[in-house]
Parts: sequence; structure tokens; C-alpha cells
Amino acid sequence: EIVMTQSPATLSVSPGERATLSCRASQSVSSNLAWYQQKPGQAPRLLIYGASTRATGVPARFSGSGSGTEFTLTISSLQSEDFAVYYCHQYNNWPYSFGQGTKLEIK
Amino acid sequence: EVQLVESGGGLVQPGRSLRLSCAASGFTFDDYAMHWVRQAPGKGLEWVSGISWNSGSTGYADSVKGRFTISRDNAKNSLYLQMNSLRAEDTALYYCAKGAMDGYYFDYWGQGTLVTVSS
Repeated sequence: EIVMTQSPATLSVSPGERATLSCRASQSVSSNLAWYQQKPGQAPRLLIYGASTRATGVPARFSGSGSGTEFTLTISSLQSEDFAVYYCHQYNNWPYSFGQGTKLEIK
Repeated sequence: EVQLVESGGGLVQPGRSLRLSCAASGFTFDDYAMHWVRQAPGKGLEWVSGISWNSGSTGYADSVKGRFTISRDNAKNSLYLQMNSLRAEDTALYYCAKGAMDGYYFDYWGQGTLVTVSS
């Protein structure tokens, strides 16, 4: 089973600033990596797939990068609606796995 | 509009069984793989199981293998999860998720159905 590790667990950033979230896989997942955003009481929402492709309707301030075992989600200028929990997800092999999440909070 | 509506959750005693359903609409159901993902209260996401478009391939998390069975009925646009020998650690919100056409990430999610395993 591939273990996904996200860092940091909590990230405190001021609105308008840049946020960088990391995700590491215990073995290569190629570019089969997605990022989801989850707000309290809501289902997760797809942001990024293929490590770097934005899903339909996702603002351009969200970008993903990386391949193999190291991945990054960057939010270039944080808006109030971006404060949420973010999960990475590898879909290279069954069993699929998620990172434990990064909570992005207002500083 | 894609819609995924889960049902079948509830309170169940340890060791008992429960069957979850997911009713899909707004897309051609039998073109896509489908999945179950769960989230324990206050915790992160855990992939539970997935099934290919034609039921030819299924996968399970180690934590549920041998106890849970995923299935689908393409004629009814429905996905199921049969959960046997339930444990307290299976307590979670269970989401139905649609697999994407060009990969196996999840492009749409339902709102979830809550399963509570307790005596």
C-alpha cells in the first residue's frame, strides 16, 4: 500500500498571501495524483488531477506540480473561501490512498 | 447535472450487517468506475472500495477486505456497498464518488450517509 504524507498538518496564512502545501508518496505514483478541498460539513471538491491539471471551474490561483513521489499544491493569493482542509490522493494503484490532510487556516 | 445520493446508513450493532446504496443521475452511469470513500468523525478521507464500469474489476482497502463487497446495477444506475461484520472503527460518513473518464480520480461526490457502529 502506498502511504501519502502531507505537510504541514496545519498552515496559517494571511489572506492575499501565498500558500504552499506538500504531499509525499512512499513510492512513485507517476503523475496520478489529485488534490481535493473540503470545507466543514461539505463533501470534498476536486481541484487538481494529473498532478497539475485544474478541474473545471477551479480558479487559476490554484496550481499543482510534481511527479513521482513529491507534489505541491500552491495557492497564489489566498481568498477567504480558500481556508479549508486539503487532501492529496494517489490513484496510481489500488488500494488508493489519501494523505492525512493539511488544514489551511487564517493567520 | 451529476447527482450522487447515498442512503442506507444508520446505527448498527458490532458484528451486524448494513447495505449502502448510491443512486446516480446526470451522466451515463455504465461508462464510469465508481467508488466508496469514508471519513470517520473529525478524521481524514479513506478510500474503501472501487468497481470498474462493467463490474469486471473491484478493489478494497485492507481494512475492509473480506468484510465489505462492492457491486453495481447499471440498469438501475446504482452502486452498493454490502458491509458485514461491522466494527466500531467502521463508524464514518460514507461517500459515493464517481471516477473520472480520463483517470481514476474522483470528479463528483455525494453528500454521504452516516454509519454508526455501536452497541
